[in-house]
Amino acid sequence: QVQLQESGPGLVKPSETLSLTCTVSGVSITTFYFNWIRQPPGKGLEWIGNIYHSGIFKYNPSLKSRVTISIDTSKNQFSLKLNSVTASDTAMYYCARGDYSDYALDFWGQGTQVTVSS
Amino acid sequence: DIQMTQSPSSLSASVGDRVSITCRASQGISNSLAWYQQKPGKAPGLLVYATSRLETGVPSRFSGSGSGTDYTLTITSLQPEDFATYYCQQYYSTPQTFGQGTKVDMK
Repeated sequence: QVQLQESGPGLVKPSETLSLTCTVSGVSITTFYFNWIRQPPGKGLEWIGNIYHSGIFKYNPSLKSRVTISIDTSKNQFSLKLNSVTASDTAMYYCARGDYSDYALDFWGQGTQVTVSS
Repeated sequence: DIQMTQSPSSLSASVGDRVSITCRASQGISNSLAWYQQKPGKAPGLLVYATSRLETGVPSRFSGSGSGTDYTLTITSLQPEDFATYYCQQYYSTPQTFGQGTKVDMK
C-alpha cells in the first residue's frame, strides 16, 4: 500500500533553514506528483509546492523566494528546504501525492511538527 | 490567488442528521474542487474530488455537488465517526488553495 513518511528536525532556529524529507513506499516516485502542505497550529492548510520526477516543479508564490523542493528517485524520496525561517513558519508539515500537478491529494503522510524558536 | 470561503465555520449536529457544507470560490474553478476530512492529530483524508467523485472507500453517505464558484459537501446521515473538520480545496490554478475549514461537532 502507498505510504508517505515525513522526517526531519522538529526544532529550527530563526533565520536558519528548515529541511524535511518525505520517503515514499508502495509506489514509484516517478509516476506521480508529490506535494508539501503545512498547517500552523489551530489553523488551516497551506499548499507549499510540488515536484515531478522530471524536475518540473511549482511553488506557492507567497513562499517561492524561500522554498526549494527536490527529488531523489534512487531513494524514492523528495525533500523540502525553507530558508530564513521565522516563528510564522511553525506548523505541521505534510507530504502528499497527487495524480497531476494540479489535482486532489489522495495519499498523505502523518505529518511532522516543526517549531521555529531560539 | 483564488480565495475559498467555507460556510459555516462550525456546526453542531446529531447522529442521523443531514449536514451540508458550502464552499465558494472567488472565481470560477471549473469543478476542480476536492473535499477532505481531518480528525484531531491526523492528516487530512480525501473524500471527494472533481466536485462529485467519491474517493475509493469513502462511504456513500458523502456526496459533492456544485459548479462555477459554488460547491457543497453533503453528509446524508451523520455517523459518530464523521465528527471532524472538513476542508475544500481548489486545484484549478496555482497556488492550490484551501477553505478555512468547517468543524462538525456533536450537538
